[in-house]
Amino acid sequence: AQSVTQPDIHITVSEGASLELRCNYSYGATPYLFWYVQSPGQGLQLLLKYFSGDTLVQGIKGFEAEFKRSQSSFNLRKPSVHWSDAAEYFCAVGGMEYGNKLVFGAGTILRVKS
Amino acid sequence: EPEVTQTPSHQVTQMGQEVILRCVPISNHLYFYWYRQILGQKVEFLVSFYNNEISEKSEIFDDQFSVERPDGSNFTLKIRSTKLEDSAMYFCASSERVYTDTQYFGPGTRLTVL
Repeated sequence: AQSVTQPDIHITVSEGASLELRCNYSYGATPYLFWYVQSPGQGLQLLLKYFSGDTLVQGIKGFEAEFKRSQSSFNLRKPSVHWSDAAEYFCAVGGMEYGNKLVFGAGTILRVKS
Repeated sequence: EPEVTQTPSHQVTQMGQEVILRCVPISNHLYFYWYRQILGQKVEFLVSFYNNEISEKSEIFDDQFSVERPDGSNFTLKIRSTKLEDSAMYFCASSERVYTDTQYFGPGTRLTVL
């Protein structure tokens, strides 16, 4: 079955600390991978995406993610978290093997403590 | 920067009533989508639409749901007879192409069925 796993429901980090949010997908030889962020009451904003090529991709707001095919993972990282990064983060997978849709993970809620 | 817009931002309706959720996709995009997110749950795909017809739909998208592109700019989701379990945030998205393209999401419409 096509699924995306984000094992951490909640993560709390101190402002200025580094962050890594985990994402694993279950299916697909050539997945297209996305991270979206959702602030309270807001829509889904694209942070970054991976289609092919360099497995380390840079996104907006200082985020980056690394695709590791051997681990079926696409973890999101940020070297120094800001209070404004507090939000819910969703990993999603698409591509030809997923048809016309994106399959989303359950999301990880990030809390930032000052 | 072009963006997907949705109206209304919040809709409250009585069970059994019909609702129409409206979306204006990004103007040069050709593929349109609806997703929903029940409170506390994953974002789930409902339907994709291209060239004035449904290209894919999920099991959730039963006969109570329909989509339409009534003119050159709007894309609508109709729920004919709402149920309590239809209460959710509904997101519209659009993309220029399918499979290899990024889906851009609107801010969502929160539907509350009483």
